[in-house]
Amino acid sequence: DTGVSQDPRHKITKRGQNVTFRCDPISEHNRLYWYRQTLGQGPEFLTYFQNEAQLEKSRLLSDRFSAERPKGSFSTLEIQRTEQGDSAMYLCASSLSRVVGNTIYFGEGSWLTVV
Amino acid sequence: GENVEQHPSTLSVQEGDSAVIKCTYSDSASNYFPWYKQELGKRPQLIIDIRSNVGEKKDQRIAVTLNKTAKHFSLHITETQPEDSAVYFCAASPTSGGSNYKLTFGKGTLLTVNP
Repeated sequence: DTGVSQDPRHKITKRGQNVTFRCDPISEHNRLYWYRQTLGQGPEFLTYFQNEAQLEKSRLLSDRFSAERPKGSFSTLEIQRTEQGDSAMYLCASSLSRVVGNTIYFGEGSWLTVV
Repeated sequence: GENVEQHPSTLSVQEGDSAVIKCTYSDSASNYFPWYKQELGKRPQLIIDIRSNVGEKKDQRIAVTLNKTAKHFSLHITETQPEDSAVYFCAASPTSGGSNYKLTFGKGTLLTVNP
């Protein structure tokens, strides 16, 4: 068990470009979450999956954002037509959904800088 | 939706002293309250959590207390050490219903332990 892994760790992109982040959860974890964190703030919920089903999306997630988890394993978060306000750290987390427990483990995050 | 307030935003203590961080939440449906520690550039790591069926939980130098009536919970660190220096986040979520285990975070407390 190597924990939640995210790729890339850092991405610098020009405004208007598209970027995609990948998250590999802890194996057998059926829940996968995406959060966004800016400097001096706590993580903000974006969306989450139970297996391959996307169960909830935050209002923070504009139409330019899309997330997928096609086979219920890894997930991708794509941001289209990036804006400077998208600069943040994008955190992925996973958990095993069960009656008691559900500890949520975070990845190291993917830093996005839009110039 | 849930709103979590965290105080103080910064806390400086001398090595060996105790540190207390307080959080309040708004949604009475919340009954899971984890605390995460985040070092600079690293992932948030769970250090302790509490569920609403208990009022206090302790793990070595760390303890968390919960007052469901007043909707507040606190993190207590005793005998602080320089390696405790980090940003600490509280969070809250329900454990049933559509938003179960969707964490809402406070804005964080930067704890500095001076040797």
